[in-house]
Amino acid sequence: AQSVTQLGSHVSVSEGALVLLRCNYSSSVPPYLFWYVQYPNQGLQLLLKYTTGATLVKGINGFEAEFKKSETSFHLTKPSAHMSDAAEYFCAVSGNAGNMLTFGGGTRLMVKP
Amino acid sequence: SAVISQKPSRDICQRGTSLTIQCQVDSQVTMMFWYRQQPGQSLTLIATANQGSEATYESGFVIDKFPISRPNLTFSTLTVSNMSPEDSSIYLCSVADRALNIQYFGAGTRLSVL
Repeated sequence: AQSVTQLGSHVSVSEGALVLLRCNYSSSVPPYLFWYVQYPNQGLQLLLKYTTGATLVKGINGFEAEFKKSETSFHLTKPSAHMSDAAEYFCAVSGNAGNMLTFGGGTRLMVKP
Repeated sequence: SAVISQKPSRDICQRGTSLTIQCQVDSQVTMMFWYRQQPGQSLTLIATANQGSEATYESGFVIDKFPISRPNLTFSTLTVSNMSPEDSSIYLCSVADRALNIQYFGAGTRLSVL
């Protein structure tokens, strides 16, 4: 069984500041990890994923995440926030390729001018 | 990447009625999933729909309430039956690309039940 915990349901940063969205997971098998973004009134868009190999993964829109097995974490970062980054972000885990996803509770990112 | 079309995009329904949501994919896929996103909440898996077999429902979801059809490899429907205001949610369809280890999501159906 898998579970995902996203620390902070709401995160507010200033434009140009570092974005850090936290995700911790539990999984009984080697995990596949994902970050999705949901803009208002839209579906989910994949930001990035970790399956195997390099633990630092880069995604779209300047986001990246690092898989840390020892900490069971997969935090999402972006060096400089942009107003267009304001959205809901979901971390998710899967136990197998293409299998069902278990989502965290989501983090709403707000970007202040 | 797979392109997923969901219909309707939104609807307002009366309690006691049923709504069927359609999910069309532009390529053949084995596994399709239906999720529910209640207001201000995360996504919860309702069921997995594989072509040629009965859908597999997650705990808390039953076929009588959420019947699913999967007639071919590009199409699925989810029906929300005998609706109540508690069914007001966003319902999302997704498909799995096992080769790329990715799930793609439709834009969702925003349902309000009065």
